[in-house]
Amino acid sequence: GAVVSQHPSWVICKSGTSVKIECRSLDFQATTMFWYRQFPKQSLMLMATSNEGSKATYEQGVEKDKFLINHASLTLSTLTVTSAHPEDSSFYICSARPVMWQGDTEAFFGQGTRLTVV
Amino acid sequence: SQQGEEDPQALSIQEGENATMNCSYKTSINNLQWYRQNSGRGLVHLILIRSNEREKHSGRLRVTLDTSKKSSSLLITASRAADTASYFCATERFGNEKLTFGTGTRLTIIP
Repeated sequence: GAVVSQHPSWVICKSGTSVKIECRSLDFQATTMFWYRQFPKQSLMLMATSNEGSKATYEQGVEKDKFLINHASLTLSTLTVTSAHPEDSSFYICSARPVMWQGDTEAFFGQGTRLTVV
Repeated sequence: SQQGEEDPQALSIQEGENATMNCSYKTSINNLQWYRQNSGRGLVHLILIRSNEREKHSGRLRVTLDTSKKSSSLLITASRAADTASYFCATERFGNEKLTFGTGTRLTIIP
């Protein structure tokens, strides 16, 4: 099956610093990637839809200036958590679907990134 | 919130027994998908059922879909310790790539 690689798998950073998380589709192209946030023992909450070559679409309540998304190529999307605070500590997961998506197909997920802000 | 609900929230059964998880959703859908997540990991796709399908099988998995009740169930037969994980349903609406996830069921298989 298709592979989505997410890096890093975990990161610890100091308050006030920025952290970049990469999401790569290794064997397919994706015009759209999705970024989710997951709190312990909870479900996935969609943060934003990353669109190749254009601005990301953010879900209601998600600060676009805090969670910067860049989708510079058909195989790479990045999420940068800017000026991180302890409340940003969470598990972040990306997903992607092949560029020829026409519905009725599965999504492929990265391994997730555990962010801890101290 | 458009998020679906799953029940039970947590389920513990003996190895070899069958496990059933239920999912309810709120909107019309194109398809419903089930995913599995091991602790601290990404999600793995298990099975997709289209809105015009009522039942689907894959190995030890059986999924049903009742669009009139906006509900789905996932049955895992002859459970194994390795089935211990969280299971999520996710719905896809027509013409929309976004998936909306349910609240999840934490399944524990007791050896």
